[in-house]
Amino acid sequence: GEDVEQSLFLSVREGDSSVINCTYTDSSSTYLYWYKQEPGAGLQLLTYIFSNMDMKQDQRLTVLLNKKDKHLSLRIADTQTGDSAIYFCAERLQTGANNLFFGTGTRLTVIP
Amino acid sequence: AAGVIQSPRHLIKEKRETATLKCYPIPRHDTVYWYQQGPGQDPQFLISFYEKMQSDKGSIPDRFSAQQFSDYHSELNMSSLELGDSALYFCASNEGSSYNEQFFGPGTRLTVL
Repeated sequence: GEDVEQSLFLSVREGDSSVINCTYTDSSSTYLYWYKQEPGAGLQLLTYIFSNMDMKQDQRLTVLLNKKDKHLSLRIADTQTGDSAIYFCAERLQTGANNLFFGTGTRLTVIP
Repeated sequence: AAGVIQSPRHLIKEKRETATLKCYPIPRHDTVYWYQQGPGQDPQFLISFYEKMQSDKGSIPDRFSAQQFSDYHSELNMSSLELGDSALYFCASNEGSSYNEQFFGPGTRLTVL
């Protein structure tokens, strides 16, 4: 089945790096995504990685994928107060269905 | 660029009433997904449509139904509302052949009193 886990909270100081972790159980994941949700707002796709990749970098964002351990991480460099939000990882399986299975979400708080 | 449009943005209903949520996908997107996000929860997939046909079904209650119309917009119909249906309902869209990104709408916040 699909079981995507994240730690619930993370606090960092402005300017530091943030690392948000995600573990999943289904090895048939094809794409893995990171979404950002600000209070009362929708889901904004930040980045995604295909399951045959180990790393993807996009400006301040670095995604690392350890497929053996089924572990995904999102690193935000030089974290800003505007990065405070809930971050969801999500997976899309290889079953043919295109819907996403979301993790529990990590609330990132950036301390000025 | 055009985004996914959802209406209404906020809806307040009483128990046992019905509600209809609407989703207008990005132009040329033929696939629509519905997700439900309860308070403090992660989004849960409800149902999806591709080219006006139901393609996948998730944890959608029998009290809910949905369809996609010829112009690709979709409606989620919810009957016999319960307090537990209070949630943020997201619609997302993409092109059926796209394996990359689902574009999410801003959501409809449904409150059942």
